[in-house]
Amino acid sequence: AQTVTQSQPEMSVQEAETVTLSCTYDTSESDYYLFWYKQPPSRQMILVIRQEAYKQQNATENRFSVNFQKAAKSFSLKISDSQLGDAAMYFCALRLGGGKLIFGQGTELSVKP
Amino acid sequence: DAGITQSPRHKVTETGTPVTLRCHQTENHRYMYWYRQDPGHGLRLIHYSYGVKDTDKGEVSDGYSVSRSKTEDFLLTLESATSSQTSVYFCAISRGQSGQETQYFGPGTRLLVL
Repeated sequence: AQTVTQSQPEMSVQEAETVTLSCTYDTSESDYYLFWYKQPPSRQMILVIRQEAYKQQNATENRFSVNFQKAAKSFSLKISDSQLGDAAMYFCALRLGGGKLIFGQGTELSVKP
Repeated sequence: DAGITQSPRHKVTETGTPVTLRCHQTENHRYMYWYRQDPGHGLRLIHYSYGVKDTDKGEVSDGYSVSRSKTEDFLLTLESATSSQTSVYFCAISRGQSGQETQYFGPGTRLLVL
């Protein structure tokens, strides 16, 4: 079975600090992609970052980076220099063949000024 | 902006009534998806389409049907709405090179079934 698990329902970070959101997954496929999406209160799903499973190098997008551990099936998101606008629900997702996405349950991130 | 619109954005209906949600895209993408979002479950795939008149079931397809008569429109129908179908519904398209696509989402439709 293909699954994605986010074990932290809620996280909190101080503005300008760094926070890491955890995600583990399980798949029998060898070729897959992993994503982090952000959902602010507007409910719009916004792509944050993506990682190709065949790439060893961790993806980075400005203040957002991932720690991809393929053998451990772990895909965590690090947000550096946290800003108030980073407050949102964050979803980890696994892309399978045919393009279907399997989502985790989400982590709600709050940012304290 | 992925050029995706959903209509209606909000709908309240009664149990047993038919409901159709529309997803419209402006970029001629082949793949389109319908998801539902419920607390504690993230997003779950209902149905998807890989071309005009080509559709397939997702994880939670019971009680839903879809149609795609034009590339730009993907319709989700609840034949007889139930309270368990109260949810937020998202449409998505896939964009990018074949085998490396990334999904982009519409703004969502909030459906309340009384």
